[in-house]
Amino acid sequence: GAVVSQHPSWVICKSGTSVKIECRSLDFQATTMFWYRQFPKQSLMLMATSNEGSKATYEQGVEKDKFLINHASLTLSTLTVTSAHPEDSSFYICSARNGSGWSYEQYFGPGTRLTVT
Amino acid sequence: AQTVTQSQPEMSVQEAETVTLSCTYDTSENNYYLFWYKQPPSRQMILVIRQEAYKQQNATENRFSVNFQKAAKSFSLKISDSQLGDTAMYFCAFMTPINAGGTSYGKLTFGQGTILTVHP
Repeated sequence: GAVVSQHPSWVICKSGTSVKIECRSLDFQATTMFWYRQFPKQSLMLMATSNEGSKATYEQGVEKDKFLINHASLTLSTLTVTSAHPEDSSFYICSARNGSGWSYEQYFGPGTRLTVT
Repeated sequence: AQTVTQSQPEMSVQEAETVTLSCTYDTSENNYYLFWYKQPPSRQMILVIRQEAYKQQNATENRFSVNFQKAAKSFSLKISDSQLGDTAMYFCAFMTPINAGGTSYGKLTFGQGTILTVHP
């Protein structure tokens, strides 16, 4: 149980285009989802927190107009990288929290490798 | 703000031996959770072990155990009988409890990570 999927697992796009990454909780309802960015051999940096039905909360320094996050249902959150540039190339990971209240467990997706050419 | 520090960028150990990864953190909270995550070459994050701050007893999961020193704000991971499959990057992480009606939604703060290599 508690599986989180991401699609696509790897995407290459041209500079200036937009790309959408999906994060799905397959067997539970995720009231909260988190999006992270990770560079090689570095830690995970939290980009934003999204709660179902409300606007995402972005971490300081993350451009909300560039990284659009939508959490339209209890099982799906999307991250859209708009007008992508080579410096946006990175590994993007989502995680989902099961339920609400005092549940603290987070389940991670397998990640999406984005390469912008 | 909470910070998590892993001072060992890389560690290596021989198969079947024991290794300890260090982690310290800084917080003014009294209730919180601590985690160790493993990220193998596949890059899938895997929960290794967790510790609730209010519990004095150190958590154990098979070959993995922690040494939780709350006063010293230290949370080390011991891996016994190391196996080749333990080769991965290990992250220490901190989470504040969820406050009813508050703004804390269980954000994880990660340390810098320690790359562990198990040699045959």
